[in-house]
Amino acid sequence: GAVVSQHPSWVICKSGTSVKIECRSLDFQATTMFWYRQFPKQSLMLMATSNEGSKATYEQGVEKDKFLINHASLTLSTLTVTSAHPEDSSFYICSASKGRGDYGYTFGSGTRLTVV
Amino acid sequence: AQSVAQPEDQVNVAEGNPLTVKCTYSVSGNPYLFWYVQYPNRGLQFLLKYITGDNLVKGSYGFEAEFNKSQTSFHLKKPSALVSDSALYFCAVRDGNSGNTPLVFGKGTRLSVIA
Repeated sequence: GAVVSQHPSWVICKSGTSVKIECRSLDFQATTMFWYRQFPKQSLMLMATSNEGSKATYEQGVEKDKFLINHASLTLSTLTVTSAHPEDSSFYICSASKGRGDYGYTFGSGTRLTVV
Repeated sequence: AQSVAQPEDQVNVAEGNPLTVKCTYSVSGNPYLFWYVQYPNRGLQFLLKYITGDNLVKGSYGFEAEFNKSQTSFHLKKPSALVSDSALYFCAVRDGNSGNTPLVFGKGTRLSVIA
């Protein structure tokens, strides 16, 4: 159990357009999901914590108006990159926990975003 | 605040030899420690975790890690490396006293197993 599905796996978009990335917990309910961003050959940087039914908590330096997070149900969180620019190109990964976190965190397969 | 240090960017080992990937951590409360592996353009795969109990933790694919509280370390080990173990490895920590908080990751160590 504990499968997280993330779509799309990769996306190419033009500058100025918006892209939505979905993260679904397939076999468990996730009250909390986390969104990370990973630059090439670097670690995962936490962008925001997504809580079902409430506003996301963003890390310092992350623009909440640019990276819109919605967690409308216990199995779905979405990240929308608005008015994307080439510097937004990155690998985005979501993560969810079944419970208090001592069960471990399950990660999605990631989304490679390229803005041209 | 939590932090993780992975002092080696790259570890090279010959196939069949033992491997060690180092990790030290800092956490104000109770450490929950994790190791993940990442293959190119993929998400993270869980290897093992330490929450409580025995300091030696056994995980997936023959990997194990030893929790050392005095040295604040959680090194990843495997007795006999395989070429297929070549990947990027991340150590992560969270404070177990702080509810459902996100993991803090080290910068990663690239393991290269040479045939």
